[in-house]
Parts: sequence; structure tokens; C-alpha cells
Amino acid sequence: GDSVTQMEGPVTLSEEAFLTINCTYTATGYPSLFWYVQYPGEGLQLLLKATKADDKGSNKGFEATYRKETTSFHLEKGSVQVSDSAVYFCALTSNQAGTALIFGKGTTLSVSS
Amino acid sequence: DGGITQSPKYLFRKEGQNVTLSCEQNLNHDAMYWYRQDPGQGLRLIYYSQIVNDFQKGDIAEGYSVSREKKESFPLTVTSAQKNPTAFYLCASSNAAGGVETQYFGPGTRLLVL
Repeated sequence: GDSVTQMEGPVTLSEEAFLTINCTYTATGYPSLFWYVQYPGEGLQLLLKATKADDKGSNKGFEATYRKETTSFHLEKGSVQVSDSAVYFCALTSNQAGTALIFGKGTTLSVSS
Repeated sequence: DGGITQSPKYLFRKEGQNVTLSCEQNLNHDAMYWYRQDPGQGLRLIYYSQIVNDFQKGDIAEGYSVSREKKESFPLTVTSAQKNPTAFYLCASSNAAGGVETQYFGPGTRLLVL
């Protein structure tokens, strides 16, 4: 079945460092891909998404490009801030109506000043 | 403001007790979902509903039940048959308008066993 694999954390960075969180997927057909962020004690917030190959999703300085040839959707940010400390989830959906998301296990990011 | 509300924020369950978690959305979304989150395991699907009066089991439905009597409401009951209910429960909704579904999440309910 479909699945998502994320790099294991925690990822610990200093403020203004470059961030990459790797995400690869296995899916039949042409899924849509998502990154969600979860701050401590809260629900998930949509960070960005891409719906077809070579699409780039971007939001709040974060970017991810849908790479079908490598089945990847890596999350990047050029300069992280302390406020970016959170858990990041990569997810996919098959684009059939009402289909639930399939999540990776999440990557914890900790940014220190 | 449109969004998804979950209540309560914290819920305590005693042995043998059924408890119900509330989820309400005013986004006019057709589909609603319940996920369970455990540390280090990501999110796992419990139940989902695509339309009113219809719902399907997800990957870990045993020990849970749901109803969908109204479009905006999708309550989850954790029954006494669920032997390890301590977790963070997240409700989500989505609308397939435009062909791409994006799920939006509520703030979650943390269930603890006394």
C-alpha cells in the first residue's frame, strides 16, 4: 500500500541555519503531497502542498518540490528561527474523494538561539 | 471564523467507562476524519465519513465508534473495549471541491486513563 517515510529526528539546529527534512513516498497513481506542522499541544496546521510532479509548494519561507522521478518531497528552509521549533509531518493522499491522509512518523525540529 | 472545534481539550476515562469526544466544523466540508496520535508513531486513521449517515473504518477502528447524523458533527466514542486509549485524538475535515482535497485539523483532545 501507499506509504511515507521521513528522516528520523530530532533535528537540532542553530538559528539562521539551513534546514532540510527528507521525505520519500510510495504510491500508485499520482498522489498529492503535503507538509503539516504541529506545535506543542496543538493540532496540525497545513504548511504547504503540491498536487503534481514538479510543483513547488511554499509558505512562510518553507519550500518543497514534488519530484516524481525520485518519489520525494523534501522540506527546506534557508534560515530557521526559534519559532520554527515543532514537529513536521509529510503526508500524501491519493486524490480520491474522501480518502484519508497517509502520514510519515514526523520529524521533531529544535532550533536554539 | 470558520474552523474545526474539538472538546474537551483534556478528558479522563475510568476503567470500563465509555467516553465521547466532540468534533464540530463550520467549513461546510463533506468529509470528516478521526486520527489517533501516539508518540513516535505519527497519525493513524480510526474512522472517516464522506457524507452524512455514512462512515467507514480506518486502520485502527477496534474499540471505537462514531456517528454522522449532521454534516457539521462527527463525534467519536472510545468504548471500554479499547484497552489502551491514552493518546492525542485529532479530528479533521476536507472538501474535494476543485479536485484536490486538503484536510484541516482541529486542536485535538488528549485522553488520559485514571
